[in-house]
Amino acid sequence: DTAVSQTPKYLVTQMGNDKSIKCEQNLGHDTMYWYKQDSKKFLKIMFSYNNKELIINETVPNRFSPKSPDKAHLNLHINSLELGDSAVYFCASSQRGGRAGDTQYFGPGTRLTVL
Amino acid sequence: AQSVTQPDIHITVSEGASLELRCNYSYGATPYLFWYVQSPGQGLQLLLKYFSGDTLVQGIKGFEAEFKRSQSSFNLRKPSVHWSDAAEYFCAVGGGYQKVTFGTGTKLQVIP
Repeated sequence: DTAVSQTPKYLVTQMGNDKSIKCEQNLGHDTMYWYKQDSKKFLKIMFSYNNKELIINETVPNRFSPKSPDKAHLNLHINSLELGDSAVYFCASSQRGGRAGDTQYFGPGTRLTVL
Repeated sequence: AQSVTQPDIHITVSEGASLELRCNYSYGATPYLFWYVQSPGQGLQLLLKYFSGDTLVQGIKGFEAEFKRSQSSFNLRKPSVHWSDAAEYFCAVGGGYQKVTFGTGTKLQVIP
């Protein structure tokens, strides 16, 4: 059973397109996250949701819009894709209310390539 | 602002040798400290974490880390490295309800 799953695993698209990445967790966790990992492996948080409520919103372009239809799902929609959006996007979840001390469980990542 | 420094970008060790990966952090209060491992093409997996108590923390896969407040360090160690330990290792710091900040990672290569 996959704890945190993401689809698709790979995404190749043209500049200017709009795309979505989906994330689902079956751990019963309250909090979900989106991270961006660049080509140098630097991992930076983008968003965090707790029970469908946005609790962390880092300095991310407005082209990125997270949506949490329920606490088991957190999707990421990206408008007008740019070359600089190419990265690996990781979804993660943790158990309790976004406390920093909680273990985060990561999905396998979505490698986005913008041409 | 909290931050993490992993001074070694890349480390190569022989299989069976001991390993120490360095991590220095900056945080205003008592932090949560983590070590995560990322195998090629995979997501991150928690190796161990520390908040309080014994400053030597045991983790999975035979790893341990030692918290040294005076040095603001949380170095990861393993007495004998296996080829399967080749991966990227990330130190991270957080506290309260704040975000967790990750270091830039150390890539471990294991040679036979």
